[in-house]
Amino acid sequence: GENVEQHPSTLSVQEGDSAVIKCTYSDSASNYFPWYKQELGKGPQLIIDIRSNVGEKKDQRIAVTLNKTAKHFSLHITETQPEDSAVYFCAASPPLGSARQLTFGSGTQLTVLP
Amino acid sequence: NAGVTQTPKFRVLKTGQSMTLLCAQDMNHEYMYWYRQDPGMGLRLIHYSVGEGTTAKGEVPDGYNVSRLKKQNFLLGLESAAPSQTSVYFCASSYDTETQYFGPGTRLLVL
Repeated sequence: GENVEQHPSTLSVQEGDSAVIKCTYSDSASNYFPWYKQELGKGPQLIIDIRSNVGEKKDQRIAVTLNKTAKHFSLHITETQPEDSAVYFCAASPPLGSARQLTFGSGTQLTVLP
Repeated sequence: NAGVTQTPKFRVLKTGQSMTLLCAQDMNHEYMYWYRQDPGMGLRLIHYSVGEGTTAKGEVPDGYNVSRLKKQNFLLGLESAAPSQTSVYFCASSYDTETQYFGPGTRLLVL
């Protein structure tokens, strides 16, 4: 099955700096890569996703890049703010016939220091 | 529009007891999922459903059963709870096979 590795497990940045979280996946058939943000005591919330036919996608201060050859994808957050502090999860999913089974990374605790 | 709701929010069980976790969604989604979240291990899929009356096993199904009698509800059952099932359980639903919407979670402690 799919295996997703996520690094780093913890990340601290100064407010206004950029943050980068990286994930690698093992199944070359995977073609959908979402990123979720989980605030304390809440469920994960989708913040951005990318499909294998696209190399980069941006949404305001958030961007995701995908390198299919190397089987890795990254989340970039620019101009970080204290409210960006949360746990971030990457995930990968193969194109199954029925429900997609997302495989999640182990998460990155991002702390933005004021 | 409440989205995905989970009942209860927190529960303490003794080893061997049984319980059912309820997930409800009001978005008319076909797909529903149950995950467990443990420290340092991300989210792992327990069971999922692709429509009313259907269920399928995920990555870690042992010790759990599920039912999807109504489209809007997905129940997760523990017949004989074990300390290894102490975790935070999340339900999710999706309209298509991609974007999943998560509930707020149920914290379960098995003593």
